[in-house]
Amino acid sequence: EPEVTQTPSHQVTQMGQEVILRCVPISNHLYFYWYRQILGQKVEFLVSFYNNEISEKSEIFDDQFSVERPDGSNFTLKIRSTKLEDSAMYFCASKVGTSDSYEQYFGPGTRLTVT
Amino acid sequence: AQTVTQSQPEMSVQEAETVTLSCTYDTSESDYYLFWYKQPPSRQMILVIRQEAYKQQNATENRFSVNFQKAAKSFSLKISDSQLGDAAMYFCAYRSAGWVEYGNKLVFGAGTILRVKS
Repeated sequence: EPEVTQTPSHQVTQMGQEVILRCVPISNHLYFYWYRQILGQKVEFLVSFYNNEISEKSEIFDDQFSVERPDGSNFTLKIRSTKLEDSAMYFCASKVGTSDSYEQYFGPGTRLTVT
Repeated sequence: AQTVTQSQPEMSVQEAETVTLSCTYDTSESDYYLFWYKQPPSRQMILVIRQEAYKQQNATENRFSVNFQKAAKSFSLKISDSQLGDAAMYFCAYRSAGWVEYGNKLVFGAGTILRVKS
């Protein structure tokens, strides 16, 4: 069964460094999402992406964050200058089609630790 | 903005027994979807069950069923014949209906930890 994959599974970085989190959505999916879950807290929406542009973003998704689909298969989340509070689990999700009834399929997540 | 509230931080159930997890939500929309996701210790998000707001019939998926009360904005999950593998964090989530240009993002509750005792 096709699945969303994410790499790395765990990333440790120093405060102020740039990190890129990578996701490979399911191959025929067209809509992509990033969510974040700080340890012990709820899962929060960051950004949705469709047709090579951001369709919606949350207030968390400030200028430090960017997303890109560089090669037609990967979907990346970049944090330019990491802060301690960026430590969280980051989930990528994808959805196949235009109907709002389609499901979002989640990847296994990347645990980001900022020291 | 929509909000989702799970008032039970933690629940326990004996193996083979039934447990109900509560969820309420607030929205001014008439058309939307509701979901229950399971997050085991691996932290993978797994869809358990979903409900379309326009459907009066409650969704069921094997041992999992929901009690959807649209007027009360309540969406509880019932797990029958609980198994050790059901132990996890359970999140209730809301999604607006409509065009994807509006994002169709999921709005999650804070989660309920379910412990299953053998």
